[in-house]
Amino acid sequence: AQSVAQPEDQVNVAEGNPLTVKCTYSVSGNPYLFWYVQYPNRGLQFLLKYITGDNLVKGSYGFEAEFNKSQTSFHLKKPSALVSDSALYFCAVLHNTDKLIFGTGTRLQVFP
Amino acid sequence: GAVVSQHPSWVICKSGTSVKIECRSLDFQATTMFWYRQFPKQSLMLMATSNEGSKATYEQGVEKDKFLINHASLTLSTLTVTSAHPEDSSFYICSATIAGGPWNEQFFGPGTRLTVL
Repeated sequence: AQSVAQPEDQVNVAEGNPLTVKCTYSVSGNPYLFWYVQYPNRGLQFLLKYITGDNLVKGSYGFEAEFNKSQTSFHLKKPSALVSDSALYFCAVLHNTDKLIFGTGTRLQVFP
Repeated sequence: GAVVSQHPSWVICKSGTSVKIECRSLDFQATTMFWYRQFPKQSLMLMATSNEGSKATYEQGVEKDKFLINHASLTLSTLTVTSAHPEDSSFYICSATIAGGPWNEQFFGPGTRLTVL
């Protein structure tokens, strides 16, 4: 079965420092991977996706993610964190071409 | 573009009443809409997938008689929580894919917070 794991419930980082939010996946076949961000009491906003092509995917708000097939990972990264990046981040994998299976989410807290 | 709205954004109701939540694609036609449920500090759980003009497909463990889904047009899907109880209190989020668009793009609504007293 398709699944994603986000091993960290929370990530704390100082403003200006690089951030990484981890995601590993388990799929049969080619993985279609996504990152979404959720602000309090809001729906999900799309950040980026990997379908095929370059392993380094650039997305919204300066975020990027690296697809690593050998490590089955798709970690989200940003070179310099902002306080406004504080939110809940979800990794997801597409199942059967239409269903998104979400990870448990990682709360990112950026301190000034 | 690709904006999805939900109405209401929050609702409080008494136990035993039914609540209808609307999900609309504002600037595109949606072939498929999805309904998710999110408990506090937890992930989104897919409840059902609805295609315009056909019956919704429910995920295992989701009661179809409890959560009625109607997808009457290419821009509107509704979720009705029938005879709501406190355990139905949750954050309900819908998403939609664009008719003729990339099949893997889901656009999410802002969510509806349901509180059942």
